[in-house]
Amino acid sequence: AQTVTQSQPEMSVQEAETVTLSCTYDTSESDYYLFWYKQPPSRQMILVIRQEAYKQQNATENRFSVNFQKAAKSFSLKISDSQLGDAAMYFCAYRSAFAGNQFYFGTGTSLTVIP
Amino acid sequence: DGGITQSPKYLFRKEGQNVTLSCEQNLNHDAMYWYRQDPGQGLRLIYYSQIVNDFQKGDIAEGYSVSREKKESFPLTVTSAQKNPTAFYLCATSPGTTGWNQPQHFGDGTRLSIL
Repeated sequence: AQTVTQSQPEMSVQEAETVTLSCTYDTSESDYYLFWYKQPPSRQMILVIRQEAYKQQNATENRFSVNFQKAAKSFSLKISDSQLGDAAMYFCAYRSAFAGNQFYFGTGTSLTVIP
Repeated sequence: DGGITQSPKYLFRKEGQNVTLSCEQNLNHDAMYWYRQDPGQGLRLIYYSQIVNDFQKGDIAEGYSVSREKKESFPLTVTSAQKNPTAFYLCATSPGTTGWNQPQHFGDGTRLSIL
């Protein structure tokens, strides 16, 4: 089974500053999909951004962007101009493009935004 | 509106009692999943189903059971064999093999506690 590692249990950022959350994964597959989810205190899981492994261009969604390094198996999330509403747990997830419907999640990073 | 409905939002279980958590979707997704989330931890897969009348065990299936008699419904029963059921339970769906690049969609969750 694939493993997803988020090595930062907690992070903090000053409002309006930029923060990067790390995610690494272990796979022998050549094609797959990667996702970042946000879970605010309401516990609802919200998709932030997705990346397809065969695309070299890094995905961006407004203030959120990723740094996808396929050779290093790294998929970090950058949040620019941090806002108070960005405070949440962030989960990285992996899905194979070939087999099965299973998603693999990291253990999450708790982001605090300091006013 | 298309979405996933989990009920109830809060559930209490007495010792020796089985309880059932409901998950209904109108997204026409093939695959459905149940995750358990403990405080400060990531998502652990309990069961998932790729098609009607088929399901597979996840990483922590012991003490749980599921059924998939209809595409729209994937109820989870927490049996008395599950000695530590207190947790937050999330139901999710995905399009399945017709949408490899699609993320999972999540319900709002059920919080289960022991009386």
